[in-house]
Amino acid sequence: DTEVTQTPKHLVMGMTNKKSLKCEQHMGHRAMYWYKQKAKKPPELMFVYSYEKLSINESVPSRFSPECPNSSLLNLHLHALQPEDSALYLCASSQDRTGYTEAFFGQGTRLTVV
Amino acid sequence: AQRVTQPEKLLSVFKGAPVELKCNYSYSGSPELFWYVQYSRQRLQLLLRHISRESIKGFTADLNKGETSFHLKKPFAQEEDSAMYYCALRGATNKLIFGTGTLLAVQP
Repeated sequence: DTEVTQTPKHLVMGMTNKKSLKCEQHMGHRAMYWYKQKAKKPPELMFVYSYEKLSINESVPSRFSPECPNSSLLNLHLHALQPEDSALYLCASSQDRTGYTEAFFGQGTRLTVV
Repeated sequence: AQRVTQPEKLLSVFKGAPVELKCNYSYSGSPELFWYVQYSRQRLQLLLRHISRESIKGFTADLNKGETSFHLKKPFAQEEDSAMYYCALRGATNKLIFGTGTLLAVQP
C-alpha cells in the first residue's frame, strides 16, 4: 500500500460546528504532515508530527487541533472555524531516512466553512 | 530561515521546445530539494529529488549550491507535461516547504 488516504473528500461545516479530518498511511512512515492549500496557491505547512510527537506548529490558530493517535493515523480537529479557513487540506507522510524523505500526499479534503 | 523562490507564475511553450523552470532557495544548512507536480484534478506527486540525480519523464534537475538553484529542465516539452510544478525544500526537523509554483502550459 503506497497511498495516503484522507477522509472525507468534501466537508461543509458551520462556524459553530466541530468536525475532524482523518488521514491514514500504511507505508511505515514516521513523519506526517498537515498542509492547507488555497486555490492557485502552494501548499502551506501547518503541522508536522515525527514519531507521533508534534514537532512543528507553524503558528496555526488553536481552532485547528492536530492529533496523532498512532504511527498510521493523523487527525485534524476543527472547531469554530471562519469562512476564510475554507481550503483544500492535504495530509502527507514521509520516511525519516536520509535519501528517502520525499513526502507522499493524499488527495485532500475540500473544506467549506459557511 | 527556509525559503524557496519560483520567479515564474506561468511558463508557456510550444510542443517540442525546451523547458526550464527556475527554482532558487535559501537555507543555511544542507537542504534536500524536490520537484513536485500537480496535474489537473490529481494529487500532488513527487517528480524528482536532488539526491538521486535521476531523470523522470525526461525531466532533470541539478543542484547548484554556489547559485543556490535547483532548476528543472526538459529538452523537448510534450502536451502531457502541462501541469503545476512546485519546487520544495526539506530542512532539518522534517520541515518541508514549497515555492509558489509555476504553471507550465505546453501548446500544440
